[in-house]
Amino acid sequence: GQSLEQPSEVTAVEGAIVQINCTYQTSGFYGLSWYQQHDGGAPTFLSYNALDGLEETGRFSSFLSRSDSYGYLLLQELQMKDSASYFCAVISPTKGSSARQLTFGSGTQLTVLP
Amino acid sequence: NAGVMQNPRHLVRRRGQEARLRCSPMKGHSHVYWYRQLPEEGLKFMVYLQKENIIDESGMPKERFSAEFPKEGPSILRIQQVVRGDSAAYFCASSPKQGAVGYTFGSGTRLTVV
Repeated sequence: GQSLEQPSEVTAVEGAIVQINCTYQTSGFYGLSWYQQHDGGAPTFLSYNALDGLEETGRFSSFLSRSDSYGYLLLQELQMKDSASYFCAVISPTKGSSARQLTFGSGTQLTVLP
Repeated sequence: NAGVMQNPRHLVRRRGQEARLRCSPMKGHSHVYWYRQLPEEGLKFMVYLQKENIIDESGMPKERFSAEFPKEGPSILRIQQVVRGDSAAYFCASSPKQGAVGYTFGSGTRLTVV
């Protein structure tokens, strides 16, 4: 099966940089995604890494090391509106099917302080 | 493009009643995924459907839960004889193809069983 570990809470101040780590165990791996969720609303897709290295999208970057089964989300120039839950999610094969499965971690609650 | 539409947003049911949750995917998306989220937890995969087919229902409880995605109309997640433990947020997501890296989520249905 799949399991993901990420910190439950992170706190940082406006303008700072914060890194949210994610380690995973999975049988089969296609890639690692990150989602943002505000106040229990619709999760929104942030980024995807299939290969090792850093992917940058504006203030957000995501990193993957497949050999270490590890990734992180880096948020720069934090703003109050970045306060939300952040979920890492592994894309892996589904047993007995060609379908792919998206398995989420338990989420990291980021609080940005003024 | 209206995005993924879920209704109702909130649903209250007494124990033993049936709950029907509806999901209309984004225009052009033929792949639908249902997830359940308990408070302070991540999203747990339930079922993956394409039009008229269940592709993967490995996350769905064997009893009382069923899902369909008919040729016409929205996808339906049906919970029969609801119990208190079914109280959760149920999210639907859609993608345009198998293996899409980012899912588009709806705003969810909050089911409360009293």
